[in-house]
Amino acid sequence: GQQLNQSPQSMFIQEGEDVSMNCTSSSIFNTWLWYKQDPGEGPVLLIALYKAGELTSNGRLTAQFGITRKDSFLNISASIPSDVGIYFCAGQPAAGGTSYGKLTFGQGTILTVHP
Amino acid sequence: NAGVTQTPKFRILKIGQSMTLQCTQDMNHNYMYWYRQDPGMGLKLIYYSVGAGITDKGEVPNGYNVSRSTTEDFPLRLELAAPSQTSVYFCASTPGGPYYTFGSGTRLTVV
Repeated sequence: GQQLNQSPQSMFIQEGEDVSMNCTSSSIFNTWLWYKQDPGEGPVLLIALYKAGELTSNGRLTAQFGITRKDSFLNISASIPSDVGIYFCAGQPAAGGTSYGKLTFGQGTILTVHP
Repeated sequence: NAGVTQTPKFRILKIGQSMTLQCTQDMNHNYMYWYRQDPGMGLKLIYYSVGAGITDKGEVPNGYNVSRSTTEDFPLRLELAAPSQTSVYFCASTPGGPYYTFGSGTRLTVV
């Protein structure tokens, strides 16, 4: 099946630093998404991207949909302790049929922020 | 709005035992999904449903069964628990498209 390779697997940073993580695939996706999972909770959607080349921000978060449609990037600026968690990329294939709505997830990036 | 509710939150099973993981959503979403999360492996799709009465296998369905008799409920059944099924299980729903709402998960240990 389709696979997403997410990197890095983990990051240990100081409060105030910027963070970058990315996701690549051998397949084309029509939609890229970034989720955050707090400890003991389910993932929560942060940003959704729908068009190749699209750059979208949500507060201190910025994500980009790669031109090739096979990758995406997430940046977090000026990190704070509550940014701690696991960040997942996810891709959605073309709409229609039984594929509709199904997401493929990356392995996750574990972010630790030291005060 | 409760969103997606999963029960139980934690469970320890002995090898060979059976159990049902419950998932209920109150948002009238047609699409529902079961994922398992293993460390460093992300989320893997077990089963999904596009509406009441319709279910289909995902990427890792072996050892599991589902049913969807109502729009609200999508239980996941483990018939003969094995240590490989030790994982955190997440249920999710969406009205359509990528806007998943996830439950808070069930942490299952099989010993």
